Amino acid sequence: AQTVTQSQPEMSVQEAETVTLSCTYDTSENNYYLFWYKQPPSRQMILVIRQEAYKQQNATENRFSVNFQKAAKSFSLKISDSQLGDTAMYFCAFMINNAGNMLTFGGGTRLMVKP
Amino acid sequence: DGGITQSPKYLFRKEGQNVTLSCEQNLNHDAMYWYRQDPGQGLRLIYYSQIVNDFQKGDIAEGYSVSREKKESFPLTVTSAQKNPTAFYLCASRDRDVEYEQYFGPGTRLTVT
Repeated sequence: AQTVTQSQPEMSVQEAETVTLSCTYDTSENNYYLFWYKQPPSRQMILVIRQEAYKQQNATENRFSVNFQKAAKSFSLKISDSQLGDTAMYFCAFMINNAGNMLTFGGGTRLMVKP
Repeated sequence: DGGITQSPKYLFRKEGQNVTLSCEQNLNHDAMYWYRQDPGQGLRLIYYSQIVNDFQKGDIAEGYSVSREKKESFPLTVTSAQKNPTAFYLCASRDRDVEYEQYFGPGTRLTVT
C-alpha cells in the first residue's frame, strides 16, 4: 500500500516571501505521478502542479515549483512570491499509473500568507 | 460549461436514515470517484468506477454503496451502517485517455445527527 506523509500541519509566510511545503511518500512502484492540490476555504480541490516519476526535471508552474527526489521519496512544493490568495490547505497526492488511477492523499498542510 | 456538479452543497439527516449524494458530470469522462474528507485530514477513496455498470471498492467502502447506470452519473448512498457519516464528500472524474488528471466537484457537506 502507498502512503503519503505531510509532516507540517500548519505553516505561515509573509506576503512576497518564499515557503516550502514538505511531502514524503512510500511505494514499491516505479511508474507513478505526484501532485500538489490546493484547497481554499471554498473547499474546491485545485490542481497546482504535477510530476511524472520518470522525469528527472522538476516541474514548475509560474510561482510554484517542486523538488522531486525519487531515491529519497521526497516531493516538496516551493511557493515563490507568496500572495494572500495562496492561503489554503495544500495536499500532496500520489497516483500509480494503472487501471484504477486512484489518488492517495497526505494529511495536508494549512498555509497562511500574512500581509 | 463542462464540469462536475454535486448537489446539494449541505445535507442534513437523522441517524439511521440512508442518504444519497448526487454527482453528475458532462465532461464525457469514463472514470468517476468518490472521496471522503474529515476535518483537518486528507481525502480517502470510497468507491470508483471506470465504466458504466462497473465499480470497485476503495479504502473505506464499508457503509457506502454506489451505482453507475449512466456514464454521466455516479450517486453515492451513505447507509445507516456507516458509523461516522458526517464528513465532506467529493466526487471526481477522469478522461480515460488522460490517466493523471482528476477533475473535482465542489463537494457536499453531510451532517448526520
